[in-house]
Amino acid sequence: EPEVTQTPSHQVTQMGQEVILRCVPISNHLYFYWYRQILGQKVEFLVSFYNNEISEKSEIFDDQFSVERPDGSNFTLKIRSTKLEDSAMYFCASRRHYGYTFGSGTRLTVV
Amino acid sequence: AQSVTQLGSHVSVSEGALVLLRCNYSSSVPPYLFWYVQYPNQGLQLLLKYTSAATLVKGINGFEAEFKKSETSFHLTKPSAHMSDAAEYFCAVSDVNTNAGKSTFGDGTTLTVKP
Repeated sequence: EPEVTQTPSHQVTQMGQEVILRCVPISNHLYFYWYRQILGQKVEFLVSFYNNEISEKSEIFDDQFSVERPDGSNFTLKIRSTKLEDSAMYFCASRRHYGYTFGSGTRLTVV
Repeated sequence: AQSVTQLGSHVSVSEGALVLLRCNYSSSVPPYLFWYVQYPNQGLQLLLKYTSAATLVKGINGFEAEFKKSETSFHLTKPSAHMSDAAEYFCAVSDVNTNAGKSTFGDGTTLTVKP
């Protein structure tokens, strides 16, 4: 069964550093998403991406965040200057029609 | 606007007993509804989805859910709990008819299965 692949599975970074989280969505999917889950909390929407542009973003997704689909296969989330409160599990997801497929997540720890 | 309320942050059942996890939604458009399971330190696994076809939806691992428009509910059930069902369960609503199609998740329900 096709999968959404996320790398790395764990990342530790120092506060103020830039991080890039990488995702390879399912190849024939059209819509791409990033969600995050702070430990012990619910999953929160960050951003959706369709037709090479952001279609919606949440208030969490401020100027420190950006997304890119540079080569038609990868989908990246960049955090420019990480804060302690950015520590969370970040999930990438993609869909073609109704069903989402989530990746297994990247656990980001900011120290 | 859309939202999800999961009633009961913790549910505990005995092995072999009925599992009932409650989810109520609010959506300004016909909803698409999902249940996900999350095991500790793992990702989200889709259990089942409602996409405006049959109101009774069967999923993996013996779970099913019934969409009741009049009650704005999409409760998850399983006739007989197994120890392996112990996990966190999330209900989500999505407006997949838009180019955003974001999902809004409930707070989650932790299911404990007692031997």
